Amino acid sequence: DVKVTQSSRYLVKRTGEKVFLECVQDMDHENMFWYRQDPGLGLRLIYFSYDVKMKEKGDIPEGYSVSREKKERFSLILESASTNQTSMYLCATFHSPGQPQHFGDGTRLSIL
Amino acid sequence: AQSVTQPDIHITVSEGASLELRCNYSYGATPYLFWYVQSPGQGLQLLLKYFSGDTLVQGIKGFEAEFKRSQSSFNLRKPSVHWSDAAEYFCAVGGLLYNQGGKLIFGQGTELSVKP
Repeated sequence: DVKVTQSSRYLVKRTGEKVFLECVQDMDHENMFWYRQDPGLGLRLIYFSYDVKMKEKGDIPEGYSVSREKKERFSLILESASTNQTSMYLCATFHSPGQPQHFGDGTRLSIL
Repeated sequence: AQSVTQPDIHITVSEGASLELRCNYSYGATPYLFWYVQSPGQGLQLLLKYFSGDTLVQGIKGFEAEFKRSQSSFNLRKPSVHWSDAAEYFCAVGGLLYNQGGKLIFGQGTELSVKP
């Protein structure tokens, strides 16, 4: 089974802090995604990566950046956290287009 | 534009009753379709997927879904709901559109409550 591990289940930070959310997968998948999930809005794509050191913006990239230095690790960075970034963040990976995505358990981030 | 619509935000059914969750999509090529379930505080778990072939697909936990191309629908069904099925359900579409590269588009989700 594919295992996608997000470093924190719950995280509380203050406005203006730089926040790192980490995601590690163990299946050698090239494709990795970061989503945020908010009630009534479903999952919205923040950034994705098809290869090491490669990244593309998703639908809502503002206020976020990403890093992919190694194939198995995809990090989401909130450069200067704001209260409107309080949300559930989900990391996902998949093998190739058309295949299902495999999700981590999510990080519930609160910005105070 | 590609999109997924789940018309029902919240559904309540009695335990043992049948269930149907609706999903309609818009996609400019042959779609791959998925249903995911999310229990409270958890990530998304794949229930089933449709790529091609038989339009009625079976998934885990007794769920099935039917792909109807003419109606652009992929509704999820279960003949008898259990209390443990209470969760949020997401429909998603993806494919090989040149500018999509396998990205999935998710619906807004349907929250299922189960009455004893």
